[in-house]
Amino acid sequence: NAGVTQTPKFQVLKTGQSMTLQCAQDMNHNSMYWYRQDPGMGLRLIYYSASEGTTDKGEVPNGYNVSRLNKREFSLRLESAAPSQTSVYFCASSEGGSNYGYTFGSGTRLTVV
Amino acid sequence: QKEVEQDPGPLSVPEGAIVSLNCTYSNSAFQYFMWYRQYSRKGPELLMYTYSSGNKEDGRFTAQVDKSSKYISLFIRDSQPSDSATYLCASNTGKLIFGQGTTLQVKP
Repeated sequence: NAGVTQTPKFQVLKTGQSMTLQCAQDMNHNSMYWYRQDPGMGLRLIYYSASEGTTDKGEVPNGYNVSRLNKREFSLRLESAAPSQTSVYFCASSEGGSNYGYTFGSGTRLTVV
Repeated sequence: QKEVEQDPGPLSVPEGAIVSLNCTYSNSAFQYFMWYRQYSRKGPELLMYTYSSGNKEDGRFTAQVDKSSKYISLFIRDSQPSDSATYLCASNTGKLIFGQGTTLQVKP
């Protein structure tokens, strides 16, 4: 049982380049999320998808776009990468609702130079 | 001000010590609280989950919520070196809102 799979695991980008982070879950979860983790800041929500066909902004959405491709897959796109987007990115999924925990992927370490 | 606040530490204790990890939250409407554990270079994993006020125990771990003071605690008894990790408190409002995380080191 794979859970939540993120690709790639590591990436180095030059300022201004674009890239897409991929996320897939095999638990038939309704909701999916993208977080970034920075030292001293904890995990901050970038975008989320409460159900297939919907997406909403989180706490720090600027500079990012998302696509809920189907129930399994939720991608995060950086159109023009900036050094401030250097971070560890985590995808998560859940059944949805306040009484369910999230299952996280293992993360993508992104460096923008 | 963050909606969930947590002292980032680091916290260093000897093996066998009782560890107390704490968070505060600002919104009295929060009802669902979770603790996640994150090992270095890994994703967070759900450790404990509590609803409203009270205690919940699971082996060496006890989660406590005091809604009157908006205070969340995680206690670890007989701490082990394998407990060395970052512990994140969170409130689930339909979206998980995390504290900054506390890094714990348990020394043999």
